[in-house]
Amino acid sequence: GENVEQHPSTLSVQEGDSAVIKCTYSDSASNYFPWYKQELGKGPQLIIDIRSNVGEKKDQRIAVTLNKTAKHFSLHITETQPEDSAVYFCAARKYYGGSQGNLIFGKGTKLSVKP
Amino acid sequence: DAGVIQSPRHEVTEMGQEVTLRCKPISGHNSLFWYRQTMMRGLELLIYFNNNVPIDDSGMPEDRFSAKMPNASFSTLKIQPSEPRDSAVYFCASSFLAGVQETQYFGPGTRLLVL
Repeated sequence: GENVEQHPSTLSVQEGDSAVIKCTYSDSASNYFPWYKQELGKGPQLIIDIRSNVGEKKDQRIAVTLNKTAKHFSLHITETQPEDSAVYFCAARKYYGGSQGNLIFGKGTKLSVKP
Repeated sequence: DAGVIQSPRHEVTEMGQEVTLRCKPISGHNSLFWYRQTMMRGLELLIYFNNNVPIDDSGMPEDRFSAKMPNASFSTLKIQPSEPRDSAVYFCASSFLAGVQETQYFGPGTRLLVL
């Protein structure tokens, strides 16, 4: 089955710097890769996702890149702000004609943005 | 929309007691997921339903856990009898599954402590 590895487990950056979180997956059939942000005491919330037919997707200060050959994808946050502080999860899933696999989550990265 | 609603938000119980967690998915969604989150194991899928039918319950840890979805607007996750190792945050998520397009929306979670 699918296995998702996420690094680093903790990341501390200065406000205004960039943050990068990386994930690798094992199942080459996976074709959907969402990123979730979880703030303290809340459930994970989708912030961006990418499908295997594209290599990069951007939404304001966040972007995700996908390398299917290497089976890894990354989250990039530019111009970080204190409100970006949270735990970020990557996930992977495969979909195949009328059926879908489960979302397999990484272990999470705790991002701290220092003012 | 109120989002996914879970109750109770916090539950403290003694070992051996029955625990029932409740979830109301977003109206119009056709898939519902129960996850468990712990520091050691991260976010794990326990079971998911599509159109009120359980599709994959391979993540349910053992027979002490059971889940039902009697209609499109309500689901329960029951633990009987509960054990200290069941202490975790339990999330319910819902989505509208239509081909590859599917975003899971998480509820705020139920924090369970079994003494």
